[in-house]
Amino acid sequence: DAGVTQSPTHLIKTRGQQVTLRCSPKSGHDTVSWYQQALGQGPQFIFQYYEEEERQRGNFPDRFSGHQFPNYSSELNVNALLLGDSALYLCASSLRGYYGYTFGSGTRLTVV
Amino acid sequence: AQSVTQLDSQVPVFEEAPVELRCNYSSSVSVYLFWYVQYPNQGLQLLLKYLSGSTLVKGINGFEAEFNKSQTSFHLRKPSVHISDTAEYFCAVSDLEYGNKLVFGAGTILRVKS
Repeated sequence: DAGVTQSPTHLIKTRGQQVTLRCSPKSGHDTVSWYQQALGQGPQFIFQYYEEEERQRGNFPDRFSGHQFPNYSSELNVNALLLGDSALYLCASSLRGYYGYTFGSGTRLTVV
Repeated sequence: AQSVTQLDSQVPVFEEAPVELRCNYSSSVSVYLFWYVQYPNQGLQLLLKYLSGSTLVKGINGFEAEFNKSQTSFHLRKPSVHISDTAEYFCAVSDLEYGNKLVFGAGTILRVKS
């Protein structure tokens, strides 16, 4: 039973560049949430997608955007990267109406 | 607004000793509560959750937690720890709104020593 798959696992970008992170949810899940985990901190909620629409958003600037596809997979896009965007980005999937979140192993983004 | 406070950033403990990781939350509405574990360079794994019912919740790997509404706490306990329990533990809260986000604490690093 495949869990949540995130790609890539690591990447390095330069300030000002743009990045796209990808997430495939657990089989049977229809909702995808993204979290940012800076070093030494707890994960912070970025946004949640359901039925291809952004349903909730945390306190992140609009440089952070996302998309959900008909197969429930999702992308997180970050534009105009800042050094402070360096973090572990976690994707969590769930089934709408149920409190069972499954997290992926994350994408480690380093901005230099 | 919701918030979670994990009262200890690090907890050192000897193998086979008991441990308690403390978590307090703040919310204006009824909540769901969670404990997750994160091993180095990995994602989050759910240990246990409180949604309703009995305030004593049992999870995986011998962990349990007790929901105390009057003290707004959800402390995690294990009667006897193993070296393999060394990891970072996160307490999280979500309110009862349908499909709402998780709000996490800053984490507690549990270091089990032999």
